[in-house]
Amino acid sequence: AQTVTQSQPEMSVQEAETVTLSCTYDTSESDYYLFWYKQPPSRQMILVIRQEAYKQQNATENRFSVNFQKAAKSFSLKISDSQLGDAAMYFCAYRFSNDYKLSFGAGTTVTVRA
Amino acid sequence: NAGVTQTPKFRILKIGQSMTLQCTQDMNHNYMYWYRQDPGMGLKLIYYSVGAGITDKGEVPNGYNVSRSTTEDFPLRLELAAPSQTSVYFCASIGPSARGQETQYFGPGTRLLVL
Repeated sequence: AQTVTQSQPEMSVQEAETVTLSCTYDTSESDYYLFWYKQPPSRQMILVIRQEAYKQQNATENRFSVNFQKAAKSFSLKISDSQLGDAAMYFCAYRFSNDYKLSFGAGTTVTVRA
Repeated sequence: NAGVTQTPKFRILKIGQSMTLQCTQDMNHNYMYWYRQDPGMGLKLIYYSVGAGITDKGEVPNGYNVSRSTTEDFPLRLELAAPSQTSVYFCASIGPSARGQETQYFGPGTRLLVL
């Protein structure tokens, strides 16, 4: 299994401010996908954003954006204008393009302060 | 579409008991997966299937079995429950999103406690 590392067990952010979550991964492949999933207290896994490795442009989804650095094998998630509903555990995940199995990081718990 | 459904939501087992976690999807997806999530950790792949009649081991298959007799159903079997199998179990399937991108759809999870 590929290694996905999230070095921040917990992050706290003030409502309306910005927080950035780190993710690094280890792979020898050149064609792959990266994902960020949100897991609120309900435990439902919700796809937040995905990035194709062959695309240089960073993916964005409303207030969520990524900084994909392929050479550095880094894939950070930025949450802008944080809202109380953003409080959750966030998982970074990797998938090789020819394989449909996901490898997950250990997760980062995000707390949003009102 | 109901998406991916799992039953039961929660179960307590005694050591050595057996049980089957049910997973069903109504999206006609070929690829299906079972993951486990231990407290404070990410998900680890137990087994997966690329279509009816085809299954393969993931990262942590020991103590589990699966079958895939239909496209819709992918049950996970625990034969002799052990405390180390206390976890939350997620079933997932892969299919196109509204944008046409391949996406993993997750069930709501089954919380299993082995005492």
